Amino acid sequence: NAGVMQNPRHLVRRRGQEARLRCSPMKGHSHVYWYRQLPEEGLKFMVYLQKENIIDESGMPKERFSAEFPKEGPSILRIQQVVRGDSAAYFCASSSGSGQSNSPLHFGNGTRLTVT
Amino acid sequence: AQSVTQPDIHITVSEGASLELRCNYSYGATPYLFWYVQSPGQGLQLLLKYFSGDTLVQGIKGFEAEFKRSQSSFNLRKPSVHWSDAAEYFCAGRMEYGNKLVFGAGTILRVKS
Repeated sequence: NAGVMQNPRHLVRRRGQEARLRCSPMKGHSHVYWYRQLPEEGLKFMVYLQKENIIDESGMPKERFSAEFPKEGPSILRIQQVVRGDSAAYFCASSSGSGQSNSPLHFGNGTRLTVT
Repeated sequence: AQSVTQPDIHITVSEGASLELRCNYSYGATPYLFWYVQSPGQGLQLLLKYFSGDTLVQGIKGFEAEFKRSQSSFNLRKPSVHWSDAAEYFCAGRMEYGNKLVFGAGTILRVKS
């Protein structure tokens, strides 16, 4: 009974490169959330997606960041032209959703991005 | 604006002592409330959740939380702390019909023997 799977666990990129973070939700879950955790800070909401749709991207930076959740395959968080300030832990969560706010989110172990 | 506040950044307790971690929320109505725990280098694990009904909620690992509407609080408690409870604890809230789970800044728990 696999939980939320994120890969890679650790990712090192040089400034200006692209970072692609992958998230496979729990089986049966069709709602995916991405959060960013900066050192000594809490988790900040970035984006909420359902299959093939972005529902809420109010937490996404306006430039360089994008997310998708295709019909087949994992959800991808893409960061173009990374800068040092993008270094953080990025967590994916999924829920069974159905628009119900009481569906708890199940989190992956995160991807720790380091920009050198 | 919807927000969740955890006033204590760090808390240190002795093993075997009782624990209370504070959480306050600011929402237009009663949100759904959650407590998560994060061990170093790991993801978040759900400890317990409150939706409605009984204001004292039991969770995993011997934790409980009490919802107090008059104080806009949802404090996490444990009667006797174990060294393995050392971790970071996050309170989170979500509006009914809302999508976004809003987290507090977290409280780091240290347990001394």
